[in-house]
Amino acid sequence: GAVVSQHPSWVICKSGTSVKIECRSLDFQATTMFWYRQFPKQSLMLMATSNEGSKATYEQGVEKDKFLINHASLTLSTLTVTSAHPEDSSFYICSAKQTNYGYTFGSGTRLTVV
Amino acid sequence: QKEVEQNSGPLSVPEGAIASLNCTYSDRVSQSFFWYRQYSGKSPELIMSIYSNGDKEDGRFTAQLNKASQYVSLLIRDSQPSDSATYLCAVNWAGGFKTIFGAGTRLFVKA
Repeated sequence: GAVVSQHPSWVICKSGTSVKIECRSLDFQATTMFWYRQFPKQSLMLMATSNEGSKATYEQGVEKDKFLINHASLTLSTLTVTSAHPEDSSFYICSAKQTNYGYTFGSGTRLTVV
Repeated sequence: QKEVEQNSGPLSVPEGAIASLNCTYSDRVSQSFFWYRQYSGKSPELIMSIYSNGDKEDGRFTAQLNKASQYVSLLIRDSQPSDSATYLCAVNWAGGFKTIFGAGTRLFVKA
């Protein structure tokens, strides 16, 4: 159990465009999901906590107007990177926690902004 | 002080040896502790979770927790080349859902 699906696995976009990343819990309901960003050879940095039916909680230094999070159902959270720039190129990973499990991660999305 | 600290390594061990990975965390009301393995370009995968002081064994992996000393460790017995990866220590504190990750320790197991 505790499978989290993330899509797309990689995306290349032009600077100034927006990109949407989906995170789904396949076999459990997740009232809370988490979005992380990881730059090469660095650790996971929590960007925001996504709460079903309410506003996301963003970590300090993360622009909520740039990284739009929607958690409209118990199995789906989306992260939209708006007006992407090359410095937004990174590995974005979502995770969710099921009772009695640790945190399960999606497969990640490698975003390259050109 | 960083909240979760790990030696970045790389830690190099020969095949068949025991690899010992350590992690210290800041003094807060800690609740849950996790070890994740991350291969290059992939998402982390959970190896072990530990919630109380002492040792917890699962196959070749043993997690050790000492809350008084604020450290958690991971031992990998009979290390294999396929164990070569970055190992992330993660701590979840009481009262919140947030999980904080260490920077990870790179492990190389030489054949």
